[in-house]
Amino acid sequence: EVQLLESGGGLVQPGGSLRLSCAASGFTFTSYVMNWVRQAPGKGLEWVSEISAGGDSTYYADSVKGRFTISRDNSKNTLYVQMSNLRVEDTAVYYCAKGSGWYGTSYWFDPWGQGTLVTVSS
Amino acid sequence: EIVLTQSPGTLSLSPGERATLSCRASQSVGSTYFAWYQQKPGQAPRLLIYAASYRATGIPDRFSGSGSGTDFTLTISRLEPEDFAFYYCQHYGNSPRYTFGQGTKLEIK
Repeated sequence: EVQLLESGGGLVQPGGSLRLSCAASGFTFTSYVMNWVRQAPGKGLEWVSEISAGGDSTYYADSVKGRFTISRDNSKNTLYVQMSNLRVEDTAVYYCAKGSGWYGTSYWFDPWGQGTLVTVSS
Repeated sequence: EIVLTQSPGTLSLSPGERATLSCRASQSVGSTYFAWYQQKPGQAPRLLIYAASYRATGIPDRFSGSGSGTDFTLTISRLEPEDFAFYYCQHYGNSPRYTFGQGTKLEIK
C-alpha cells in the first residue's frame, strides 16, 4: 500500500523558517515525481512545488518562489520542503502528493498524504 | 495563465439523485491533463477521475467524467450518503504547472 506521511508542521512567527518532511513507502520512490500542495483554512487547493524523480528539476508556484526549496533524499524515500521568510498567508495544511500520469509523467496527484498544519502567526 | 472555474459553488441534492458538477477552463486545455478530486472534511483529497474520463483505482462506477476543450463535467449518477463532500477539478499546464478550481460543495438537501 502506498503511504505518504508528512511531519514537521507547527507554529512559526512571520519571517521564520520551517522544514517539512514526507516519508514515502509502498512504491518505488526513486521513479516518481513528487509534489507539495497546500490548503489554507477553509480555502481551496494550491499547488506549491514539484521535484523530478532524480531531484535535478524543481518547479515552484510564484507565491513561494525564492522562499521555499523542495528537495528529496532517494536513499531515505523522503521528500522535503524548506520554507523560509514565512508569511501569515503561508498558513495552511501542507500535503505531499505523488505525481501520477503515463510513462513516468506527473499530470495529477495520487495519492496524497494526510497533511501537516503550518501556522504562521505572531 | 489558465483559470478553472467550477459551478455551482454549492449543490444541494438528496441521496439517490444525480449530480452534475462543471469545471470551465479560461482557454482550451488538453483532456489528458485534466483530473477531479473528492475531499471530505478533515481528510486529504482523493483522486476520482484522471485524463478527464478515466476512473481512478477503487472509484465506484457511479462516478464519471467527460468533456474536452474548455468544458469538463463530473457526474455522480446516483448519490450515496458518502458522496457529500467537496470536489475540485485540476489541470496540468505550464505556468502555473498545476491549477485547481475553487471547488464545489455537494451538500445534502
